[in-house]
Amino acid sequence: GAGVSQSPSNKVTEKGKDVELRCDPISGHTALYWYRQSLGQGLEFLIYFQGNSAPDKSGLPSDRFSAERTGGSVSTLTIQRTQQEDSAVYLCASSLGGLQMGKNIQYFGAGTRLSVL
Amino acid sequence: LAKTTQPISMDSYEGQEVNITCSHNNIATNDYITWYQQFPSQGPRFIIQGYKTKVTNEVASLFIPADRKSSTLSLPRVSLSDTAVYYCLVGVVYNTDKLIFGTGTRLQVFP
Repeated sequence: GAGVSQSPSNKVTEKGKDVELRCDPISGHTALYWYRQSLGQGLEFLIYFQGNSAPDKSGLPSDRFSAERTGGSVSTLTIQRTQQEDSAVYLCASSLGGLQMGKNIQYFGAGTRLSVL
Repeated sequence: LAKTTQPISMDSYEGQEVNITCSHNNIATNDYITWYQQFPSQGPRFIIQGYKTKVTNEVASLFIPADRKSSTLSLPRVSLSDTAVYYCLVGVVYNTDKLIFGTGTRLQVFP
């Protein structure tokens, strides 16, 4: 695909259930980011993958949140035992990766809107 | 981490030039300055990136003074479709190219 793809676009779940959110980055992009955006708020960084390096998990709000990236491509963000405060739009982005200008421009998916009832 | 400060909101009218300034006093030598635009129910979209002086593309201009402690995004002759939230990012470069988003500026363009 030409852009970053996220699925599902919407997810409604009950409090206490686990959810998995998927991100397909742009082909060839080595860097992948997950963000959370609550209604009317800015983007909150969650986790960052760069190539085969250990992910930067410094933004994960609790141990209920985890993410993996298989084969350096597709990533899954998992939220266990969801709470109502987890309701937000979860955005994924990818970039070419690297320190040179232009290589860190992020391309975003449309996001997954998660609603926890 | 480099912290950015932007106005929370701005209003303008169609056809006017809009300048949004971002302060980033703690910018590091290797950091780039990047601006993104976000429409409702969409992910942010890249507008422009720069390191110093002036950068111009088909959409906007970015002005960066010599001390790089601030930057100004300039949108020429805005239209209603430019109503969006604009984010200023300053790269935090250690051994990675992670970027941290600020709070953004909500631009409202009136007819």
